[in-house]
Amino acid sequence: DVKVTQSSRYLVKRTGEKVFLECVQDMDHENMFWYRQDPGLGLRLIYFSYDVKMKEKGDIPEGYSVSREKKERFSLILESASTNQTSMYLCASSPDGTGSLGRELFFGEGSRLTVL
Amino acid sequence: AQKVTQAQTEISVVEKEDVTLDCVYETRDTTYYLFWYKQPPSGELVFLIRRNSFDEQNEISGRYSWNFQKSTSSFNFTITASQVVDSAVYFCALDTFTSASKIIFGSGTRLSIRP
Repeated sequence: DVKVTQSSRYLVKRTGEKVFLECVQDMDHENMFWYRQDPGLGLRLIYFSYDVKMKEKGDIPEGYSVSREKKERFSLILESASTNQTSMYLCASSPDGTGSLGRELFFGEGSRLTVL
Repeated sequence: AQKVTQAQTEISVVEKEDVTLDCVYETRDTTYYLFWYKQPPSGELVFLIRRNSFDEQNEISGRYSWNFQKSTSSFNFTITASQVVDSAVYFCALDTFTSASKIIFGSGTRLSIRP
């Protein structure tokens, strides 16, 4: 069964802490994505990657960075967590390289982060 | 501008009723794809359907049906004879060349089916 696995379902962190959210996919997909989900705002793209060591900014990259050292793993980093980063974070992957249309996204179960 | 609007924030119906979830999109691209995803309480979004801009044929899959109308820029989703297991948040999404890999999601519609 194909899978996108996010390392933590629930996290509670303090303001100013560095936070790592890990995502691993076992489908050999080229593309990986990090979204943030907030009530009334839907899913907003933070960063995506279409190849190892490649990254592209999404719509709301401020306050975040990413790392993709291996094809199967895509990490989201909050260098200094703030309360306005309290949210649900969703990782997704899709096959094919950049420029392809109509790719189905495969999602993880999400990581709910609370920053106090 | 690329945009997806799901005007219905929450819908609640009694089991066995039919329900339609609305999706209106904006794009100037002539080639694009539209999607519906379901997010059950477990949190994982699940792909339901994909439609390209050149295929306006409506689709039916069991109790689910989709009505794509380019004239009104809409891609509505109907559940017939709803069941409690249909309770979820449903997202409509748009993929275009202009958006350059940034698939655009609507804000979602939370559907509650009451027994």
